[in-house]
Amino acid sequence: DAGITQSPRHKVTETGTPVTLRCHQTENHRYMYWYRQDPGHGLRLIHYSYGVKDTDKGEVSDGYSVSRSKTEDFLLTLESATSSQTSVYFCAISWEGITGELFFGEGSRLTVL
Amino acid sequence: AQSVTQLDSQVPVFEEAPVELRCNYSSSVSVYLFWYVQYPNQGLQLLLKYLSGSTLVESINGFEAEFNKSQTSFHLRKPSVHISDTAEYFCAVSDRRPSGSARQLTFGSGTQLTVLP
Repeated sequence: DAGITQSPRHKVTETGTPVTLRCHQTENHRYMYWYRQDPGHGLRLIHYSYGVKDTDKGEVSDGYSVSRSKTEDFLLTLESATSSQTSVYFCAISWEGITGELFFGEGSRLTVL
Repeated sequence: AQSVTQLDSQVPVFEEAPVELRCNYSSSVSVYLFWYVQYPNQGLQLLLKYLSGSTLVESINGFEAEFNKSQTSFHLRKPSVHISDTAEYFCAVSDRRPSGSARQLTFGSGTQLTVLP
């Protein structure tokens, strides 16, 4: 298994509270991604990173921010959680970008009440 | 922008029968194509990919997919399925662009393959 750890794995929070999800890798891969998975939508890219402090937006970035201060950690922050952000969040890493293999974490299930 | 359509959300099939999971994409430029598989309560795993060269690509567990440019399709097939193939399968596409930047990978909505005994 690729060395990817997501935390927390499960979280229940209330609308309006801040939430941070962490993705930690031990593989020294350059590229890191945050996706959300919702029924009927597959996976949609939120943000991605192509190096330390280098990040860019995906197709569903509104309401989310990210930070990558070191190679191994990629943080996803919901500044003020809403019920529409209830989802399963997956982190993925890749050595050579999407033309190579993306290795996924086991997911973080977030419920916003 | 590219998009991916997986025509069947659920595909039930009996063990040892053949199966085809359909995937069509739209893009204004050349593409890279992928199939990923997700087993229950796990993240996705790469099954196979088409980047260039032969339009028929195979995985180590008997799946194959063929890139058909004229029909903009990348259907996944297996001649004889096993119970252990039960999972959700996602088709994904990315536009070809000059190297040096991370490209976005667009996923389809998924097809749940259920293999029945």
